[in-house]
Amino acid sequence: QVQVVQSGAEVKKPGASVRVSCKASGYSFTTYYIHWVRQAPGQGLEWMGIINPSGGTTPTYAQKFQGRVTLTRDTSTSTVYMDLSSLTSEDTAVYYCARRGGIQGFDIWGQGTMVTVSS
Amino acid sequence: EIVLTQSPGTLSLSPGERATLSCTANHIVSSNYLAWYQQKPGQAPRLLISGASSRATGIPDRFSGSGSGTDFTLTISRLEPGDSAVYYCQQYTDSPITFGQGTRLEIK
Repeated sequence: QVQVVQSGAEVKKPGASVRVSCKASGYSFTTYYIHWVRQAPGQGLEWMGIINPSGGTTPTYAQKFQGRVTLTRDTSTSTVYMDLSSLTSEDTAVYYCARRGGIQGFDIWGQGTMVTVSS
Repeated sequence: EIVLTQSPGTLSLSPGERATLSCTANHIVSSNYLAWYQQKPGQAPRLLISGASSRATGIPDRFSGSGSGTDFTLTISRLEPGDSAVYYCQQYTDSPITFGQGTRLEIK
């Protein structure tokens, strides 16, 4: 079935970096843009950025994360990666990848990856 | 940046009643690229409505969206206990994509 599956939970120390993966299956990987959204504990949804898996355009990032987040993709494995650097406790959150196609909203979401930043 | 404000913050209704959730934008949402999501505890959000009024695949017709420009509404008729969740609106017409702060719906 159509799905995106994320990597498992991470625990990091302040100042470290984290990589979260998002593997797509059941559909044409290069057809749908992939977005990243995070949710701090008890808080709302926050958009981080978008990548075009076909590579036709460069990734776009929310200004808040510029310089700290990098989105990449590997078409051979249908996987998108989100790298976030210089972590602080404020980055403790569940990170989601989600696909969007055409005029629709985000129709398929990953299960979420909990990233905990603690000394 | 388009800021979305949802009201009310919390809604408490009984099974069988109708819920009306509001989402107001500070700028026009072009092409009505406005979506609604349902999120239950410990789960990823689920797409309910795209394009302000188009139900996503598998979403029952008890859920309906309306509105245009800056004012949008999600209506849930004949409430069921399983509708308890937080509901978010989202605009995806303009970067950065933004979400409302959410409306918590409690079924008594």
